[in-house]
Amino acid sequence: NAGVTQTPKFQVLKTGQSMTLQCAQDMNHNSMYWYRQDPGMGLRLIYYSASEGTTDKGEVPNGYNVSRLNKREFSLRLESAAPSQTSVYFCASSAPSGGAYEQYFGPGTRLTVT
Amino acid sequence: GENVEQHPSTLSVQEGDSAVIKCTYSDSASNYFPWYKQELGKRPQLIIDIRSNVGEKKDQRIAVTLNKTAKHFSLHITETQPEDSAVYFCAASMNSGYSTLTFGKGTMLLVSP
Repeated sequence: NAGVTQTPKFQVLKTGQSMTLQCAQDMNHNSMYWYRQDPGMGLRLIYYSASEGTTDKGEVPNGYNVSRLNKREFSLRLESAAPSQTSVYFCASSAPSGGAYEQYFGPGTRLTVT
Repeated sequence: GENVEQHPSTLSVQEGDSAVIKCTYSDSASNYFPWYKQELGKRPQLIIDIRSNVGEKKDQRIAVTLNKTAKHFSLHITETQPEDSAVYFCAASMNSGYSTLTFGKGTMLLVSP
């Protein structure tokens, strides 16, 4: 099992460009999450999908959109990147559902917006 | 919503000493409290968790204690080793189907040989 995978590992964008971060899990988990990690700020939830077909906003959703493509895949889209979105982005998944179970994290995507 | 405070932000100890990291939470409905370890450049990984029906849980050199009345929980690492050096995050969640984790801001633990 690969667990949780993310692509790309690194990305540099110019202000105003768009991109999609991809996440996939092969553990048959119901719930998937997107976090951003900034120095001294911990992990902040951007969006989550409690189950296939549902998505909900987290703590910091502005400037982002998500798609739960199927049970395995959960993508994060930046429509018009801003320097404030420079961060490390982690995808995670958990089973059977909800936050009260271990979350498995992907390796992260380091995004720089210039 | 839930708010989790974590202290200290950095902690330096000598190898073999004990380390304690403390967290407080605001929502009395929270009843699941995991701890994650993140090594430099790596992903966070769960090291121990506790649910509100127990007051303490141990796993070899690490232990977590929970005081629901005071709404605080702590991570204890004994006989620290250089490989314990990492950032540690506490988190809190309600034990319901669609609850999410709220993380503290992290503690950087440095263990000197």
